[in-house]
Amino acid sequence: ILNVEQSPQSLHVQEGDSTNFTCSFPSSNFYALHWYRWETAKSPEALFVMTLNGDEKKKGRISATLNTKEGYSYLYIKGSQPEDSATYLCAFGGANNLFFGTGTRLTVIP
Amino acid sequence: NAGVTQTPKFRILKIGQSMTLQCTQDMNHNYMYWYRQDPGMGLKLIYYSVGAGITDKGEVPNGYNVSRSTTEDFPLRLELAAPSQTSVYFCASTHGSRGAFFGQGTRLTVV
Repeated sequence: ILNVEQSPQSLHVQEGDSTNFTCSFPSSNFYALHWYRWETAKSPEALFVMTLNGDEKKKGRISATLNTKEGYSYLYIKGSQPEDSATYLCAFGGANNLFFGTGTRLTVIP
Repeated sequence: NAGVTQTPKFRILKIGQSMTLQCTQDMNHNYMYWYRQDPGMGLKLIYYSVGAGITDKGEVPNGYNVSRSTTEDFPLRLELAAPSQTSVYFCASTHGSRGAFFGQGTRLTVV
């Protein structure tokens, strides 16, 4: 059983604020680190898959960085909008499996 | 292209009953997974498969069985339903370095 930790557990920000969350994972046997966006009553949707130390990915106002040596990844949201409200999950990928953290629930207040 | 299809969406079982949650993907993905989501607990891996004929246990396999006779299908079997198996179940598939595609989930209640 792998320990994938996310912090904070929940977060409220004002519209227009920028924010970031952390995902910590084992630094050994690393294959990939995934980020997902999960809206209530829907299924998780992939945002990023990162495989190399130092990887940085960006999609619109959302970006992510990866440090495999120390076992952490950051997800950043610039200028948060109400539609960004969701749970953000990270998942640690070994060669064959995918273990999820418990997520960070983001609420953006208009 | 349907992606990952899970059935049923909702089910109520009595203690001791059995059922199979169906999962089918049409993307020719090798890797498939079953997760359960309990309140405040995130997604826990039940079983996974790296290809037809190959399955392995995840974090919480007790009370479940799976099979992978084809690349497309990965059914999850509950043999003797217990209240502790009340949860939302998600099937997912991946291929290579792409993120996982999830089914719509099955909300199971055991009473």
